[in-house]
Amino acid sequence: KAGVTQTPRYLIKTRGQQVTLSCSPISGHRSVSWYQQTPGQGLQFLFEYFSETQRNKGNFPGRFSGRQFSNSRSEMNVSTLELGDSALYLCASSSTGGVNYGYTFGSGTRLTVV
Amino acid sequence: AQSVTQLDSQVPVFEEAPVELRCNYSSSVSVYLFWYVQYPNQGLQLLLKYLSGSTLVKGINGFEAEFNKSQTSFHLRKPSVHISDTAEYFCAVGSSARQLTFGSGTQLTVLP
Repeated sequence: KAGVTQTPRYLIKTRGQQVTLSCSPISGHRSVSWYQQTPGQGLQFLFEYFSETQRNKGNFPGRFSGRQFSNSRSEMNVSTLELGDSALYLCASSSTGGVNYGYTFGSGTRLTVV
Repeated sequence: AQSVTQLDSQVPVFEEAPVELRCNYSSSVSVYLFWYVQYPNQGLQLLLKYLSGSTLVKGINGFEAEFNKSQTSFHLRKPSVHISDTAEYFCAVGSSARQLTFGSGTQLTVLP
């Protein structure tokens, strides 16, 4: 079956703009989580959605937001972009929403803010 | 709160030699432990996981890990590495909070 699909793969934005990233989970998976990966901070948890509800949120400013649709697809939005938002954004899905089963990650969206 | 420490940021090893990537964790509650691998320009792929039961866990691509509760460690091993194992490896701990806390990663470079 198809894996986790993230679009676009690469994105270049200017400081102050906003951006929307998309994630389509594995068919049947209802939980979608987002992580930010940077060389300095490593992998950090952004938020997790299950059945259109945000269940958990990491320690990120309010400029970072997300949502999940009824088909489990998820989007994350970053407003008023800063240079420090340049990162690889990874989406992961799981069937039960529990980390004990492990996630399946997508290939990520590499965002560059100039 | 949970934390994960990967003791080596870079591990060079010759092809067909054994390798051990070290991981220590800190948690006040029961944990689930994972190893993921990341190839260049790719996402993370699950290598193996420890949920409960046998402390020796076997994963894909010939990797295995041993959970040691007394030493709070979950080291990853492979008896004989290949060039294709060159990648970054991440140890992670999960809990009922439904999120993973990752270590800083270990870059494994297999030399010919």
